[in-house]
Amino acid sequence: QKEVEQNSGPLSVPEGAIASLNCTYSDRGSQSFFWYRQYSGKSPELIMFIYSNGDKEDGRFTAQLNKASQYVSLLIRDSQPSDSATYLCAVRGSWGKLQFGAGTQVVVTP
Amino acid sequence: SAVISQKPSRDICQRGTSLTIQCQVDSQVTMMFWYRQQPGQSLTLIATANQGSEATYESGFVIDKFPISRPNLTFSTLTVSNMSPEDSSIYLCSSILLDTSTDTQYFGPGTRLTVL
Repeated sequence: QKEVEQNSGPLSVPEGAIASLNCTYSDRGSQSFFWYRQYSGKSPELIMFIYSNGDKEDGRFTAQLNKASQYVSLLIRDSQPSDSATYLCAVRGSWGKLQFGAGTQVVVTP
Repeated sequence: SAVISQKPSRDICQRGTSLTIQCQVDSQVTMMFWYRQQPGQSLTLIATANQGSEATYESGFVIDKFPISRPNLTFSTLTVSNMSPEDSSIYLCSSILLDTSTDTQYFGPGTRLTVL
């Protein structure tokens, strides 16, 4: 079992719609959760971090965390073509290391 | 956030040679890490660079192949030794800032290595 799992996609989203990305993790001791965006040929760029159960909003992005169910999600509202990228879920486990999911490719279609 | 720079940005090397990648952060950091991202794959942690002591390597990575130095709080190097085509990858430096209440990791722009 992978420690951090994401659907690889591609997730095709019409422009202006909501993109919903999901991530599950196996380490119940995990305390820190991150979403990174990675454009092709570029390095990961931090979008959001979340530590507590519930929702956290930042502009068009909302991260949701449910530690009991061991999942974290990312919503992208009003999706734009510039949101087309691979989104990486990262979880800092109880050993302190940041583990990455395989990434979900998002394609926003005009 | 921090500005992290890496040199070189890319290189093409011959089998059997070595390449040293430099990472410089513009702020003091608590921890520095080296990752590898192979084509179409996610990030894999190579090691944690410890200031003034030996790096801590992940399973599957050894010091003889990937020697790492960290002489101060803001600078680290990763050497890829005795390279083979399987080492062709993007190598990424990452750090956690000292003056922050979060454990957010930021990434450098990466070094794209091709081994022929």
